[in-house]
Amino acid sequence: KNQVEQSPQSLIILEGKNCTLQCNYTVSPFSNLRWYKQDTGRGPVSLTIMTFSENTKSNGRYTATLDADTKQSSLHITASQLSDSASYICVVSTGGGNKLTFGTGTQLKVEL
Amino acid sequence: EAGVTQSPTHLIKTRGQQATLRCSPISGHTSVYWYQQALGLGLQFLLWYDEGEERNRGNFPPRFSGRQFPNYSSELNVNALELEDSALYLCASSLGVGGDTQYFGPGTRLTVL
Repeated sequence: KNQVEQSPQSLIILEGKNCTLQCNYTVSPFSNLRWYKQDTGRGPVSLTIMTFSENTKSNGRYTATLDADTKQSSLHITASQLSDSASYICVVSTGGGNKLTFGTGTQLKVEL
Repeated sequence: EAGVTQSPTHLIKTRGQQATLRCSPISGHTSVYWYQQALGLGLQFLLWYDEGEERNRGNFPPRFSGRQFPNYSSELNVNALELEDSALYLCASSLGVGGDTQYFGPGTRLTVL
């Protein structure tokens, strides 16, 4: 069964600090992996997308890594800001827009 | 360029009623996806429409149905509402079939009393 597990479930950090969110998946066959940011009450917004051959991809203060051998991905946020408070969702695709497996997300809260 | 839009923003119904949710995709996108996001749970795939046809549906009962119009906008209908149908319903669109990134709308918050 295709599964995407994220950790931690929730995280509280101080503004300016860095943090790393984890995603482990058992989805097969693998097509690509996306990280989405979802603000409370809003739809998810894509941050990064990585295919099998990509190890790392950055989008501003967000850097995603992918280890296709161990089926793990991480999302690193540097110099966190209050606006980073959101749910971060890892999504793995087996190919095709309808073949997505969503993680349950990591709820991040950035405090002063 | 306008993003994916959904209406209404909030919807309150009582058990047994029917709910209709609407979605307009990004201009040029032909695929529309519907997801249910219940409190504390991940997004659950509901339905996928492309070029006016239902291409796939998730593990939901038949009282969840929908359609896609010639202009690619879409409607999700939920009949015989149950309390557990209370959730955020998200619509996403993409440039046709394939592994393209899905762009999500803001969602419709459905509350069943």
